[in-house]
Amino acid sequence: GAVVSQHPSRVICKSGTSVKIECRSLDFQATTMFWYRQFPKQSLMLMATSNEGSKATYEQGVEKDKFLINHASLTLSTLTVTSAHPEDSSFYICSARDISSYEQYFGPGTRLTVT
Amino acid sequence: AQSVTQLGSHVSVSEGALVLLRCNYSSSVPPYLFWYVQYPNQGLQLLLKYTTGATLVKGINGFEAEFKKSETSFHLTKPSAHMSDAAEYFCAVSSRAGGYQKVTFGTGTKLQVIP
Repeated sequence: GAVVSQHPSRVICKSGTSVKIECRSLDFQATTMFWYRQFPKQSLMLMATSNEGSKATYEQGVEKDKFLINHASLTLSTLTVTSAHPEDSSFYICSARDISSYEQYFGPGTRLTVT
Repeated sequence: AQSVTQLGSHVSVSEGALVLLRCNYSSSVPPYLFWYVQYPNQGLQLLLKYTTGATLVKGINGFEAEFKKSETSFHLTKPSAHMSDAAEYFCAVSSRAGGYQKVTFGTGTKLQVIP
């Protein structure tokens, strides 16, 4: 089956630093990838939609200058949390939409802790 | 516009008992409906999905769900609960209006299985 990987799975960083999270589709191509954020005991909230070769589309209330998204190839999207603060601590999950089947597959998530 | 309502943030069942997790949706176009399971600190795993055709959908691990358009529901059931079913379950709706697919998640239902 289709696999989406995320790296790193866990990251701890200091307040004020930036963190990059990678999302890769391993055995399929994805023109569209999605970034979600999940707070403890809550549902997934869509942050942005990443389209290969173009600018990401951010959901209302999501700071595009803080959460930089790059989708440089059909198998890789990155989310960079800039100048991270403790309130950015969360579980970040990406998903990738198969270019052929339109099926959407989810990555295992990245736990970000900002100290 | 689309939305999902999951009734009951917590459901407890005895091992061997019927599992019923409720989901109602709202969508302005014909929906695609999904159930996902999430184990602690992990990503989402697709249990089953409805796109078109047969309204009773069978998924993995013995789960099934029935799409009822008249009731705008997509409840998840399993005849006999196992301890390994204890997890968080998310219902989701997606629509492909204008060639753009966006998935909206419910708030989740945490299933507890009592031995």
